[in-house]
Amino acid sequence: QLQLQQSGPGLVEPWATLSLTCGVSGGSITSNSYYWGWIRQPPGKGLEWIGNIYYSGSTYYNPSLKSRVTLTVDTSKDQFSLDLRSFTAADTAVYYCAGQRFGEYHFDTWGQGTLVTVSS
Amino acid sequence: QSALTQPASVSGSPGQSITFSCTGTSNDVGHHNSVSWYQQHPGKAPKLMIYDVTNRPSGVSIRFSGSKSGNTASLTISGLRAEDEADYYCSSYTSINTWVFGGGTKVTVL
Repeated sequence: QLQLQQSGPGLVEPWATLSLTCGVSGGSITSNSYYWGWIRQPPGKGLEWIGNIYYSGSTYYNPSLKSRVTLTVDTSKDQFSLDLRSFTAADTAVYYCAGQRFGEYHFDTWGQGTLVTVSS
Repeated sequence: QSALTQPASVSGSPGQSITFSCTGTSNDVGHHNSVSWYQQHPGKAPKLMIYDVTNRPSGVSIRFSGSKSGNTASLTISGLRAEDEADYYCSSYTSINTWVFGGGTKVTVL
């Protein structure tokens, strides 16, 4: 069964870059025909889709975040990553990685979530 | 892109049925049969409950059902149980190859 394990810092300096990684286990990041996505949730608020990446490198981004976001895949390590530049208090949220089967439109596997806040 | 519109809260007594909506536009909910619903308990990751408007993943109770009419999708929980108390989010694929979520509905079991 596919599992996602997130790693990364819980604090980010103002205007620095947030970098999070999601490791895939229970299958290869390339063989399971999945899109890999990132979703965030500000404290007490709803979910916001950030973007998706396919193992080949093709990406889709939320237009409101596109200028600050980069998604990458490392097939040698079975992991994918999120970089969010110019981090501010408005970006404080729980960040989730998730898997979406190719050709489907829902996220059926989720990481455990990482709370990321801006350091004062 | 704007978030899908959900009622902030819905409540019901054990055993009752409740239905709540998720309203979008012709560019998302009305564009494609790709609405999904997620259940989220406090401090936990979302869990897929319904996909492609009406389909239940393996292991999800038949008490959960989905439907759609035009630009509005709905989730019904039948035979409400205490463990159904959670936040519920709808999501839809859009006409510009993005995904959008609703603001969430808090379900309270009285």
